[in-house]
Order: sequence, then C-alpha cells, then structure tokens
Amino acid sequence: DIQMTQSPSSLSASVGDRVTITCRASQSITNYLNWYQKKPGTAPKVLIYAASSLQTGVPSRFSGSGSGTDFTLTISNLQPEDYATYYCQQTLSPLFTFGPGTKVEIK
Amino acid sequence: VQLVESGGGLVQPGGSLRLSCVVSGFTFSDFGVNWVRQAPGKGLEWVAYISSSSRTIYYADSVKGRFTISRDNAKNSLYLQTNSLRVEDTAVYYCARSIKVGPTMFDYWGQGTLVTVSS
Repeated sequence: DIQMTQSPSSLSASVGDRVTITCRASQSITNYLNWYQKKPGTAPKVLIYAASSLQTGVPSRFSGSGSGTDFTLTISNLQPEDYATYYCQQTLSPLFTFGPGTKVEIK
Repeated sequence: VQLVESGGGLVQPGGSLRLSCVVSGFTFSDFGVNWVRQAPGKGLEWVAYISSSSRTIYYADSVKGRFTISRDNAKNSLYLQTNSLRVEDTAVYYCARSIKVGPTMFDYWGQGTLVTVSS
C-alpha cells in the first residue's frame, strides 16, 4: 500500500502570509496527487488535482507542484476563509489513500 | 450535482447499518463513486470504491470483509452495507464522485451521515 505523510501537522499563519504544505508518498505516484480543503461540518472540497491543476472555481492563490514522491500545496496571500485542514490524496493505487492532514490556524 | 447520504445512526458494537447515497444532476451510470469517512477529531479515510458498472470494487483494509459497497444505477443510488461494526467505525460517512482527469479526483461530495457505534 502507498502511505502518505504531510508536514507540518499544523501551522499558525496571519492573513496575507504565504503558506506551504508538504506531502510525501512512500513510493512514486507520478502526478496522481490531489489536494482537498476540509472545514468543520462541511464536505471536503478539491483544490488541486493531478498535482498542479487548479480545480474550476478555486482561487488562483492556491497552487500545487511536485511529482514522484514529493509535493507541495502553496497558499499565497492567506485569506480568512482559508483557515481549514488540508489533505493530500494519492490515486495511483486503487486504495485512494489520504495524508493525515495539515491544520492551518489563525496566528 | 447533488449527493445526499442517509442511513446513519446509533448502533451497538457488532451491529449493522445500511448507508445510502442518492445522486442527481449528472448521469450516475457514467461515474465511479466512493465512500470516505472521518472519525471525530481524525482525518479523512477512504473506505471503498465501485466503478460505474460495478465490475470493479476496492476496499480499505480496515473494512474489508465487513463492509459491502453496491449501487443501483436505475435508482441513482449508492449503498454501503456495514456489518460487524466496531467502536472505531464511528465517523461521518461521505459519498464522493470519482472523475478521471488523467489521474482520478473526487470532485463532488455529499454532506455526510453520522454513524455512531456505542453500547
């Protein structure tokens, strides 16, 4: 099975900051990597698919990069509505594993 | 596009529940669908996948042999039969549509149904 890790597990940032979250796969997943945003009481929302493609309707301050085993999600100019938990997910293996999440909190 | 889950509730350990997800706004028979859960205070966990024709099914190791995913394309419905429930199965269960854009992503989700396993 492919295991996913994320770092950091949580971070504090201020409005306007640039935030970077890292995701690592236990083996190469080429670009089979998605990023989701999850807020309490709401359904997850896909932000980035195929490692770097921005989902329709998602603000351009979100971006993704990486391939193989190492990936990053960057939020430039953090906004109040971006405080949430972010999850990476691999879809190369049919067991569509999520990472453990990174909680972005208000500083 | 809408996905609406139902069937959650309180059940004792060892018990069973059948979760349902009714979809609208797209041709259900064209898409694979998944169940994903989130236990209280924990992260997202993918549970199961079923292809558009039901020919391909996958399960997470944590539920294999206890849960069964199925679908009825005529009723635009997805199901998850959960048996031999354990306390650690307590979670909000979401259904999510898969779409292949090269790689696969989950582009539409329901709002979830809560399953509580407790004596």
